[in-house]
Amino acid sequence: DIQMTQSPSTLSASVGDRVTITCRASQSISSWLAWYQQKPGKAPKLLIYKASSLESGVPSRFSGSGSGTEFTLTISSLQPDDFATYYCQQYTTWTFGQGTKVEIK
Amino acid sequence: QVQLVQSGAEVKKPGASVKVSCKASGYTFTGYYMHWVRQAPGQGLEWMGRINPNSGGTNYAQKFQGRVTMTRDTSISTAYMELSRLRSDDTAVYYCARDLTLVVVAAGYWGQGTLVTVSS
Repeated sequence: DIQMTQSPSTLSASVGDRVTITCRASQSISSWLAWYQQKPGKAPKLLIYKASSLESGVPSRFSGSGSGTEFTLTISSLQPDDFATYYCQQYTTWTFGQGTKVEIK
Repeated sequence: QVQLVQSGAEVKKPGASVKVSCKASGYTFTGYYMHWVRQAPGQGLEWMGRINPNSGGTNYAQKFQGRVTMTRDTSISTAYMELSRLRSDDTAVYYCARDLTLVVVAAGYWGQGTLVTVSS
């Protein structure tokens, strides 16, 4: 099975900060990687697919990069609505990372 | 617009079974795989398996093999996930989710979730 490892587990940041979350796959997944945002009590929301493609309606401050085994999600200027938990997912066989909680500093 | 509407919360005793439904609308139900993902309280997302609504073919995560059964009723555009021999650590929110497109098989659409509580 392909394992996905995210870092950090928790991130404290302020509004306006540039935030980067890393996701590593245990073997190459090409660009078959997605990022999701989840808020308490809600279903996850797709932000990025194919490592760097922005889902329709998602603000352009979100961006993704990487291929193979190393991937990053970047929020260029953190907004109040962005405080949430973020998950990466490889969708060759659907495995999720353990999540990164972005909290207010 | 695509909508996935799940059945309501359930409380079950250890050893029992639970069956959660996911009614799809706004698209051709048989055209896209339906996945099931669960999330235990305060924990991450865990993929359980998927069903091809057209053929009924299924793929289950190894962890759930022998305990999970995914089915569908194409006449009412509804997918089902049944989990048997419930344990307390099966307490979780269970989501159905559909691939974004035929090519992008990430979860573009989600149900609202169904809380299953296993308690004696």
